[in-house]
Amino acid sequence: AQTVTQSQPEMSVQEAETVTLSCTYDTSENNYYLFWYKQPPSRQMILVIRQEAYKQQNATENRFSVNFQKAAKSFSLKISDSQLGDTAMYFCAFMNYGGSQGNLIFGKGTKLSVKP
Amino acid sequence: DVKVTQSSRYLVKRTGEKVFLECVQDMDHENMFWYRQDPGLGLRLIYFSYDVKMKEKGDIPEGYSVSREKKERFSLILESASTNQTSMYLCASSPPAAYQETQYFGPGTRLLVL
Repeated sequence: AQTVTQSQPEMSVQEAETVTLSCTYDTSENNYYLFWYKQPPSRQMILVIRQEAYKQQNATENRFSVNFQKAAKSFSLKISDSQLGDTAMYFCAFMNYGGSQGNLIFGKGTKLSVKP
Repeated sequence: DVKVTQSSRYLVKRTGEKVFLECVQDMDHENMFWYRQDPGLGLRLIYFSYDVKMKEKGDIPEGYSVSREKKERFSLILESASTNQTSMYLCASSPPAAYQETQYFGPGTRLLVL
Protein backbone atom coordinates (compact mmCIF):
# COMPACT_ATOMS: atom_id res chain seq x y z
CA ALA A 1 0.00 0.00 0.00
CA GLN A 2 1.12 3.51 -0.73
CA THR A 3 2.02 5.80 2.13
CA VAL A 4 2.88 9.47 2.36
CA THR A 5 5.04 10.86 5.16
CA GLN A 6 5.43 14.47 6.19
CA SER A 7 8.05 14.56 8.89
CA GLN A 8 7.57 18.18 9.97
CA PRO A 9 4.34 18.65 11.93
CA GLU A 10 4.98 22.39 12.32
CA MET A 11 7.26 24.97 10.77
CA SER A 12 7.64 28.69 10.87
CA VAL A 13 9.30 31.20 8.58
CA GLN A 14 9.81 34.93 8.50
CA GLU A 15 7.95 36.91 5.91
CA ALA A 16 9.90 37.23 2.61
CA GLU A 17 12.13 34.25 3.42
CA THR A 18 12.19 30.85 1.78
CA VAL A 19 10.93 27.65 3.39
CA THR A 20 10.97 24.02 2.29
CA LEU A 21 8.40 21.45 3.38
CA SER A 22 9.38 17.79 3.17
CA CYS A 23 7.40 14.85 1.86
CA THR A 24 8.38 11.27 1.18
CA TYR A 25 6.22 8.51 -0.18
CA ASP A 26 6.34 4.82 -0.70
CA THR A 27 5.04 3.05 -3.78
CA SER A 28 5.96 0.25 -6.12
CA GLU A 29 4.20 1.96 -9.01
CA ASN A 30 6.07 3.75 -11.77
CA ASN A 31 3.35 6.11 -12.94
CA TYR A 32 1.63 8.37 -10.47
CA TYR A 33 0.86 11.96 -9.51
CA LEU A 34 1.98 13.97 -6.53
CA PHE A 35 0.26 17.02 -5.12
CA TRP A 36 0.63 19.71 -2.53
CA TYR A 37 -2.62 21.04 -1.12
CA LYS A 38 -2.98 24.09 1.10
CA GLN A 39 -5.62 24.53 3.78
CA PRO A 40 -5.71 28.08 5.21
CA PRO A 41 -7.34 28.74 8.58
CA SER A 42 -10.67 29.28 6.77
CA ARG A 43 -10.48 25.54 5.91
CA GLN A 44 -11.07 25.53 2.14
CA MET A 45 -8.50 23.13 0.76
CA ILE A 46 -6.94 24.24 -2.50
CA LEU A 47 -4.39 22.77 -4.86
CA VAL A 48 -0.97 24.42 -4.76
CA ILE A 49 1.00 22.40 -7.25
CA ARG A 50 1.11 18.96 -8.84
CA GLN A 51 3.73 16.78 -10.49
CA GLU A 52 3.41 13.89 -12.89
CA ALA A 53 5.95 11.19 -12.07
CA TYR A 54 6.91 10.66 -15.70
CA LYS A 55 8.03 14.28 -16.02
CA GLN A 56 11.62 14.94 -15.01
CA GLN A 57 11.18 18.68 -14.87
CA ASN A 58 10.12 20.00 -11.49
CA ALA A 59 6.77 21.77 -11.42
CA THR A 60 6.63 25.49 -10.64
CA GLU A 61 3.70 27.77 -9.86
CA ASN A 62 4.80 31.34 -9.20
CA ARG A 63 6.48 31.33 -5.76
CA PHE A 64 5.87 27.62 -5.27
CA SER A 65 8.16 24.97 -6.68
CA VAL A 66 8.87 21.33 -5.99
CA ASN A 67 11.98 19.22 -5.80
CA PHE A 68 10.90 15.85 -7.14
CA GLN A 69 13.40 13.06 -6.61
CA LYS A 70 11.78 9.94 -8.03
CA ALA A 71 14.52 7.49 -7.07
CA ALA A 72 14.53 8.78 -3.50
CA LYS A 73 10.70 9.00 -3.47
CA SER A 74 10.92 12.53 -2.22
CA PHE A 75 8.66 15.47 -3.13
CA SER A 76 9.47 18.66 -1.24
CA LEU A 77 7.71 22.00 -1.61
CA LYS A 78 9.67 25.25 -1.66
CA ILE A 79 7.91 28.51 -0.97
CA SER A 80 9.91 31.57 -1.96
CA ASP A 81 9.32 35.09 -0.68
CA SER A 82 6.90 33.81 1.97
CA GLN A 83 3.81 35.90 2.57
CA LEU A 84 1.48 36.10 5.55
CA GLY A 85 -1.23 34.53 3.39
CA ASP A 86 0.89 31.40 3.07
CA THR A 87 0.08 30.56 6.68
CA ALA A 88 -1.82 27.27 6.41
CA MET A 89 -1.74 23.52 6.75
CA TYR A 90 0.04 21.94 3.82
CA PHE A 91 -0.72 18.40 2.76
CA CYS A 92 1.32 16.25 0.44
CA ALA A 93 -0.75 13.72 -1.50
CA PHE A 94 -0.21 10.78 -3.86
CA MET A 95 -2.42 9.33 -6.58
CA ASN A 96 -1.88 6.27 -8.73
CA TYR A 97 -2.04 6.95 -12.43
CA GLY A 98 -5.43 5.95 -13.80
CA GLY A 99 -6.32 3.83 -10.81
CA SER A 100 -9.07 3.79 -8.21
CA GLN A 101 -11.00 6.64 -9.80
CA GLY A 102 -8.50 9.18 -8.59
CA ASN A 103 -8.12 8.34 -4.92
CA LEU A 104 -5.71 10.57 -3.07
CA ILE A 105 -3.52 9.37 -0.24
CA PHE A 106 -2.61 12.20 2.08
CA GLY A 107 0.20 12.80 4.49
CA LYS A 108 -0.59 14.07 7.98
CA GLY A 109 0.20 17.65 7.11
CA THR A 110 2.64 20.40 8.04
CA LYS A 111 1.39 23.50 9.79
CA LEU A 112 3.25 26.49 8.40
CA SER A 113 3.26 29.83 10.16
CA VAL A 114 4.59 32.90 8.38
CA LYS A 115 5.69 35.54 10.87
CA PRO A 116 5.83 39.27 10.14
CA ASP B 1 -14.53 28.08 -11.16
CA VAL B 2 -15.44 24.77 -9.66
CA LYS B 3 -17.66 25.12 -6.70
CA VAL B 4 -18.18 22.48 -4.04
CA THR B 5 -20.59 23.37 -1.28
CA GLN B 6 -21.44 21.62 1.95
CA SER B 7 -24.76 22.06 3.68
CA SER B 8 -23.40 23.16 7.07
CA ARG B 9 -20.17 24.65 8.37
CA TYR B 10 -20.88 23.62 11.96
CA LEU B 11 -23.17 20.94 13.32
CA VAL B 12 -23.90 19.74 16.85
CA LYS B 13 -25.69 16.43 17.31
CA ARG B 14 -26.50 14.04 20.12
CA THR B 15 -25.20 10.50 20.43
CA GLY B 16 -27.48 8.11 18.59
CA GLU B 17 -28.91 10.69 16.22
CA LYS B 18 -28.99 10.09 12.48
CA VAL B 19 -26.88 12.73 10.76
CA PHE B 20 -26.89 13.78 7.12
CA LEU B 21 -24.02 15.75 5.60
CA GLU B 22 -24.74 17.05 2.13
CA CYS B 23 -22.31 17.97 -0.61
CA VAL B 24 -23.10 19.55 -3.96
CA GLN B 25 -20.78 20.32 -6.87
CA ASP B 26 -21.59 22.39 -9.91
CA MET B 27 -19.02 21.14 -12.44
CA ASP B 28 -20.65 17.92 -13.60
CA HIS B 29 -17.83 15.89 -12.03
CA GLU B 30 -18.10 12.12 -12.08
CA ASN B 31 -16.09 11.49 -8.92
CA MET B 32 -17.05 12.59 -5.44
CA PHE B 33 -15.36 11.87 -2.15
CA TRP B 34 -15.93 12.14 1.59
CA TYR B 35 -12.94 12.57 3.87
CA ARG B 36 -12.56 12.89 7.56
CA GLN B 37 -9.87 15.22 8.91
CA ASP B 38 -8.46 14.87 12.42
CA PRO B 39 -5.43 16.63 13.92
CA GLY B 40 -2.27 14.61 13.48
CA LEU B 41 -4.00 12.11 11.21
CA GLY B 42 -4.41 14.12 8.02
CA LEU B 43 -7.28 13.28 5.71
CA ARG B 44 -8.71 9.80 5.60
CA LEU B 45 -11.07 8.62 2.88
CA ILE B 46 -14.45 7.40 4.10
CA TYR B 47 -16.32 6.68 0.87
CA PHE B 48 -16.17 7.72 -2.75
CA SER B 49 -18.44 7.52 -5.74
CA TYR B 50 -17.53 7.50 -9.41
CA ASP B 51 -21.04 7.60 -10.80
CA VAL B 52 -24.65 8.01 -9.80
CA LYS B 53 -25.78 5.23 -7.47
CA MET B 54 -22.22 3.86 -7.35
CA LYS B 55 -20.18 3.87 -4.17
CA GLU B 56 -16.94 2.42 -2.94
CA LYS B 57 -15.57 2.09 0.58
CA GLY B 58 -12.52 4.06 1.46
CA ASP B 59 -10.14 3.48 4.33
CA ILE B 60 -12.52 4.12 7.23
CA PRO B 61 -16.14 3.33 6.18
CA GLU B 62 -17.29 1.86 9.48
CA GLY B 63 -20.18 3.76 11.00
CA TYR B 64 -20.90 5.65 7.79
CA SER B 65 -22.96 5.22 4.66
CA VAL B 66 -23.40 7.34 1.55
CA SER B 67 -25.98 8.13 -1.07
CA ARG B 68 -25.60 9.45 -4.59
CA GLU B 69 -28.96 9.74 -6.30
CA LYS B 70 -27.94 12.64 -8.54
CA LYS B 71 -24.62 13.36 -10.16
CA GLU B 72 -24.12 16.68 -8.40
CA ARG B 73 -24.98 15.53 -4.89
CA PHE B 74 -23.18 13.16 -2.54
CA SER B 75 -24.49 12.61 0.96
CA LEU B 76 -22.69 11.17 3.96
CA ILE B 77 -24.89 9.51 6.55
CA LEU B 78 -24.06 8.70 10.13
CA GLU B 79 -26.73 6.15 11.03
CA SER B 80 -26.23 6.49 14.76
CA ALA B 81 -23.77 9.22 15.64
CA SER B 82 -21.13 8.49 18.25
CA THR B 83 -18.70 10.78 20.06
CA ASN B 84 -15.74 9.31 18.16
CA GLN B 85 -17.28 10.69 14.97
CA THR B 86 -16.66 14.23 16.17
CA SER B 87 -14.45 15.57 13.40
CA MET B 88 -14.10 17.80 10.37
CA TYR B 89 -15.70 16.32 7.27
CA LEU B 90 -14.52 17.37 3.84
CA CYS B 91 -16.22 16.67 0.54
CA ALA B 92 -14.37 16.76 -2.77
CA SER B 93 -15.09 16.19 -6.44
CA SER B 94 -13.07 15.56 -9.57
CA PRO B 95 -13.50 14.67 -13.23
CA PRO B 96 -12.56 11.13 -14.26
CA ALA B 97 -8.98 10.32 -13.37
CA ALA B 98 -8.14 9.64 -17.00
CA TYR B 99 -8.67 13.29 -17.87
CA GLN B 100 -7.97 15.33 -14.80
CA GLU B 101 -6.61 14.47 -11.44
CA THR B 102 -7.18 17.53 -9.29
CA GLN B 103 -9.73 17.20 -6.53
CA TYR B 104 -11.75 20.26 -5.58
CA PHE B 105 -12.77 20.55 -1.97
CA GLY B 106 -15.70 22.02 -0.14
CA PRO B 107 -15.29 24.26 2.92
CA GLY B 108 -15.84 21.41 5.36
CA THR B 109 -18.38 20.62 8.06
CA ARG B 110 -17.21 20.56 11.64
CA LEU B 111 -19.35 18.02 13.46
CA LEU B 112 -19.55 17.79 17.24
CA VAL B 113 -21.32 14.76 18.68
CA LEU B 114 -22.28 15.14 22.33
